[in-house]
Amino acid sequence: AQTVTQSQPEMSVQEAETVTLSCTYDTSESDYYLFWYKQPPSRQMILVIRQEAYKQQNATENRFSVNFQKAAKSFSLKISDSQLGDAAMYFCAYRSAWDSNYQLIWGAGTKLIIKP
Amino acid sequence: GAVVSQHPSWVICKSGTSVKIECRSLDFQATTMFWYRQFPKQSLMLMATSNEGSKATYEQGVEKDKFLINHASLTLSTLTVTSAHPEDSSFYICSARDTAASYNEQFFGPGTRLTVL
Repeated sequence: AQTVTQSQPEMSVQEAETVTLSCTYDTSESDYYLFWYKQPPSRQMILVIRQEAYKQQNATENRFSVNFQKAAKSFSLKISDSQLGDAAMYFCAYRSAWDSNYQLIWGAGTKLIIKP
Repeated sequence: GAVVSQHPSWVICKSGTSVKIECRSLDFQATTMFWYRQFPKQSLMLMATSNEGSKATYEQGVEKDKFLINHASLTLSTLTVTSAHPEDSSFYICSARDTAASYNEQFFGPGTRLTVL
């Protein structure tokens, strides 16, 4: 069974600085998707970024980028120029390309604190 | 992006009563919907997966008779917590899979906070 591990329960960063959130996963599959979701205090889950395992190029969405290391099974999220609105819980998630139900497997989450 | 609504956003009920939570996909058809439970400061725990017109598939440890899921249409799924007890108090989140979206993406509702007295 696949697992997702987020080893940082909490991270803090100064506003405008850069922070990296870690995520590792375990799978025997070669084809899958990885996601970072943001859950702000409103509790609404928002997709931040996704990565397809078959793509070598790291995904980027504005200030958010990932470092995808397939061999190491690592998928970290880098947030550049941190803003107060980035404060939230961040969850890493895995989805098999072969799951007909498209279920997500979730990490435990990292609470990101932005210091003004 | 696609929008998923949940109703109610919060509910308080007495122990022993039943509570129904609705999850609607507002601008897309959702063949598959998911129900999650989230405890404070914890991750999402998948309770069940429901496909339109079929019985829901429950995760191990989730009581089917306590958490009744109905997915009667492509835009509506309901979760009924039967004979609720204080230990059922939690934050319940639904998501819906948009088959027309890139990568069959799941879109999430805003959640429902259930408090059982």
